Amino acid sequence: DADVTQTPRNRITKTGKRIMLECSQTKGHDRMYWYRQDPGLGLRLIYYSFDVKDINKGEISDGYSVSRQAQAKFSLSLESAIPNQTALYFCATSDPRDRVAFFGQGTRLTVV
Amino acid sequence: QKEVEQDPGPLSVPEGAIVSLNCTYSNSAFQYFMWYRQYSRKGPELLMYTYSSGNKEDGRFTAQVDKSSKYISLFIRDSQPSDSATYLCAMRPISSGSARQLTFGSGTQLTVLP
Repeated sequence: DADVTQTPRNRITKTGKRIMLECSQTKGHDRMYWYRQDPGLGLRLIYYSFDVKDINKGEISDGYSVSRQAQAKFSLSLESAIPNQTALYFCATSDPRDRVAFFGQGTRLTVV
Repeated sequence: QKEVEQDPGPLSVPEGAIVSLNCTYSNSAFQYFMWYRQYSRKGPELLMYTYSSGNKEDGRFTAQVDKSSKYISLFIRDSQPSDSATYLCAMRPISSGSARQLTFGSGTQLTVLP
């Protein structure tokens, strides 16, 4: 089983719909992240959480919200999806010293 | 200007070739440097991790950091078709709290032809 699991793996949704992407991890890490990946732009940080009570905005948080339900669970929501949120979304965790990130398999989201 | 620049490629090489992948950066505070490999439809996986300047070797892979030039490289010797993937460089400074975030390059797409 994967250490960082994302659901769903693929999703097509309509403009204006609310959608939630879920992430769970078994690595026991406190730190969790949500990134989006677009061609030519690399990975950009949306939100990150250092523990259950700590949520921080990343580089591109507008239009997104997150919830840290437990140490192992971190979900990303698009309150009202728009087409330019079509992208590949990755959840990640990092070790306690933040040296490296461990990524999930990704969620391919298409907003039509 | 991006903090981290990486040639997106695509780069195609014959099997057995030596591959050189590179990133340049502008933030002199970066101290930790990583290379991730991402196969199609998969998440990035850590390939190499180095701290500060110097070289690090792991099998067919060598990571090189030149902080004076703000330039990092990943060399792949005896490249194999299974090395075909997108390679992402990433780096971060030594800082506390929220400043300890990774900055990624945009990735170089590599194809090794049999």
